[in-house]
Amino acid sequence: GESVGLHLPTLSVQEGDNSIINCAYSNSASDYFIWYKQESGKGPQFIIDIRSNMDKRQGQRVTVLLNKTVKHLSLQIAATQPGDSAVYFCAEFTGGKLTFGQGTILTVHP
Amino acid sequence: GAVVSQHPSRVICKSGTSVKIECRSLDFQATTMFWYRQFPKQSLMLMATSNEGSKATYEQGVEKDKFLINHASLTLSTLTVTSAHPEDSSFYICSANDWDAQSYNEQFFGPGTRLTVL
Repeated sequence: GESVGLHLPTLSVQEGDNSIINCAYSNSASDYFIWYKQESGKGPQFIIDIRSNMDKRQGQRVTVLLNKTVKHLSLQIAATQPGDSAVYFCAEFTGGKLTFGQGTILTVHP
Repeated sequence: GAVVSQHPSRVICKSGTSVKIECRSLDFQATTMFWYRQFPKQSLMLMATSNEGSKATYEQGVEKDKFLINHASLTLSTLTVTSAHPEDSSFYICSANDWDAQSYNEQFFGPGTRLTVL
């Protein structure tokens, strides 16, 4: 069936570096793609979203890139901070529902 | 921003008992609420979608008689895990939005409820 997946289950970076988290999706009919941050024992926190007719969207320290040709989504975090350490999920919205990817654990070392 | 709360945050129960988890939208009216389950080191899996005043729509493989969902008001949805067993131990998360669920808009997530069944 349709699914959203991630290439890298873990990512370790040094404080101040830029982080790139990747996601592959298979449902070309999805309307929106969203990135969430989840800290241990908490619910997901919205980071940024992008509509399917866009290829780039920027927020504060974050940028989401969408490549529909290869069905790939990425989240770029600039100047990564220790507080960015968490699990990051991509999700796609289609048919009134969110489908989450497997998640990437981001660890930021001081 | 919109706030969603869950109660309780943690619950431990004996096998065979039922547990009720509440999800509330605190500062908006939630037309649609969603219930997810998350096992350790795994992703969120949608269990069901509930609309105020109507029956919930369950995802394939989710037993509707075991996971009872009630969305009696625009600010409250409840999930009852009936006859809980250790394999039901998980992190249950709700989310809510205040718009037509078929149109994308931001879902606001609750903090989750950790259920442990002994």
